[in-house]
Amino acid sequence: AQTVTQSQPEMSVQEAETVTLSCTYDTSENNYYLFWYKQPPSRQMILVIRQEAYKQQNATENRFSVNFQKAAKSFSLKISDSQLGDTAMYFCAFMKYYNNDMRFGAGTRLTVKP
Amino acid sequence: DAGVTQSPTHLIKTRGQQVTLRCSPISGHKSVSWYQQVLGQGPQFIFQYYEKEERGRGNFPDRFSARQFPNYSSELNVNALLLGDSALYLCASSRGGEGTDTQYFGPGTRLTVL
Repeated sequence: AQTVTQSQPEMSVQEAETVTLSCTYDTSENNYYLFWYKQPPSRQMILVIRQEAYKQQNATENRFSVNFQKAAKSFSLKISDSQLGDTAMYFCAFMKYYNNDMRFGAGTRLTVKP
Repeated sequence: DAGVTQSPTHLIKTRGQQVTLRCSPISGHKSVSWYQQVLGQGPQFIFQYYEKEERGRGNFPDRFSARQFPNYSSELNVNALLLGDSALYLCASSRGGEGTDTQYFGPGTRLTVL
């Protein structure tokens, strides 16, 4: 079974600084997808970034980038130039290639301080 | 375009009752997945429906059931409610039924069982 582990329950960062959220996963699959979702206090889950396992290049979306290490089964999220609006729960998620059963980690609560 | 919509926003039920939650996917999306998010945890996969057929089921008891209608909207039913069913129920839609398509989440329905 696939499991996703986020070892940092809470993190904080000063506005404009950079923060990295960690995620590891366990799978025997070779083809899969990894995601970071953001859930602000308003609770709507928003996709931050997506990575296909077959792509070696790390995904980037504006201030958000990932460090995908397939052999180590690690998928960290880097947020640059942190903004107050980045305050939220961040969930790492795994999904098999031909399956919509998405497995989530327990989440990391990120607080951006002014 | 409108995003994923869910109704109702909040619901309070007592133990033993039955509840129906509703979800309308993004226009053009044919797949709907349901997740349960207990407070302080990541979402857990309950069901996926694609083209009105069940494509996947998580580790939930038979008290949980769902269906998808010809317009691709979906209902999640929970019978014989238990206190432990109190959670945020999230619906996510995607274009297709396979993992190649990103899931977009609705705002959720907060169910409280007393």
